[in-house]
Amino acid sequence: QVQLKESGPGLVQPSETLSLTCTVSGFSLTSYSVSWVRQPSGKGPEWMGRMWYDGDTAYNSALKSRLSISRDTSKNQVFLKMNSLQTDDTGTYYCTRDHGWFAYWGQGTLVTVSS
Amino acid sequence: DIVLTQSPALAVSLEQRATISCKTSQNVDNYGISYMHWYQQKPGQQPKLLIYEGSNLASGIPARFSGSGSGTDFTLTIDPVEADDIATYYCQQSKDYPLTFGSGTKLEIK
Repeated sequence: QVQLKESGPGLVQPSETLSLTCTVSGFSLTSYSVSWVRQPSGKGPEWMGRMWYDGDTAYNSALKSRLSISRDTSKNQVFLKMNSLQTDDTGTYYCTRDHGWFAYWGQGTLVTVSS
Repeated sequence: DIVLTQSPALAVSLEQRATISCKTSQNVDNYGISYMHWYQQKPGQQPKLLIYEGSNLASGIPARFSGSGSGTDFTLTIDPVEADDIATYYCQQSKDYPLTFGSGTKLEIK
């Protein structure tokens, strides 16, 4: 069945770079797109960016200068890197299978930005 | 960016109908498709897709949930409401970049 799982550090220092990995199973990254969505505690979700099935990318303009999404299809993994983290980047980060809508989600990984 | 506006909370009685509204700052329809989707989120869980493209019921979702609307005005209806439906409901548009979500409507029981 379709599964996505996020992994990465739970704590990041201010001004440092966040690196997260989304490992997928049950589908191919060359057939489906994957997006990253984050959610501060008690707030609505925010779409961060998309890795298209053909390898192209799309980013939220609010994050574009700090964000990079890449993939390794041989390992069924999608990567997120975001630099210059600040405290308001704290929240739960999800990867999702992206059809324009998000039918499948990982369980999320909590990222706390703090010194 | 397309802004999605939802009321913060809605209180309904069990076995009654709940109607949750989402208004968008721009038209999210194109070629007869409404690029509007709805999610349910319970505390500590990831969002769960309920409705996609305005009115299509996602797999495994009970028929008590339905979506309607077009253009800039959309509604998620739950009829009848059950105790397990207590959650926060989000709308999301995919008409234009960036994809955006509403701020959520928390469904409460009277």
